[in-house]
Amino acid sequence: QVQLVQSGAEVKKPGASVKVSCKASGYTFTSYYMHWVRQAPGQGLEWMGIFNPSDGGTSYAQKFQGRVTMTRDTSTSTVYMELSSLRSEDTAVYYCAREREEYCSGGSCFKGFNYWGQGTPVTVSS
Amino acid sequence: SYELTQPPSVSVSPGQTASITCSGDKLGNKYACWYQQKPGQSPMLVIYQDSKRPSGIPERFSGSNSGNTATLTISGTQAMDEADYYCQAWDTSTADVVFGGGTQLTVL
Repeated sequence: QVQLVQSGAEVKKPGASVKVSCKASGYTFTSYYMHWVRQAPGQGLEWMGIFNPSDGGTSYAQKFQGRVTMTRDTSTSTVYMELSSLRSEDTAVYYCAREREEYCSGGSCFKGFNYWGQGTPVTVSS
Repeated sequence: SYELTQPPSVSVSPGQTASITCSGDKLGNKYACWYQQKPGQSPMLVIYQDSKRPSGIPERFSGSNSGNTATLTISGTQAMDEADYYCQAWDTSTADVVFGGGTQLTVL
């Protein structure tokens, strides 16, 4: 069965960086785009960007451009999200989420995210 | 940037029909999805492409999308449906995914 297993909770100081991992299993890793979504305490869902595990291509939400980097390790079927220059407002639960449709990166084929990781809490505090 | 607007809260009595709206400019020209999120859990897809249900989602969940509004309807609402619900769309102009602010559904 499809599983997305994320790395554990992190506590960081302002100005530092955090790197969250998302290990995929149960499907062909390179066939489905992966997204990152975060949720601040008591707040809604916020999309951060999309990653193509096949070629490493990325598209980031404008809000995070310059601070976020998404990468992968195909040998372990793991996607990474690194966020730099952390501030207190970055305190949130970070999720990876897989596209429902194979080879789809949006538009007319978009069918939402049908698998989500368990979430990684990141706390930014001095 | 594209925005989706949801009511912060909706209340419904058990067994009745709950409707949660999601508004955005020409949203009917895009595909809308809906997610259910219970406290401490990851979101779960309940509707995709406006009105389709993933396998395992009860038939009481349905969706529609026309004009500027997408609607999630829960018929015969049960206590287990109490959760936060988020709409989502793909903004073709920016190639960004957009979420609504979320609606807390209370079953009382």
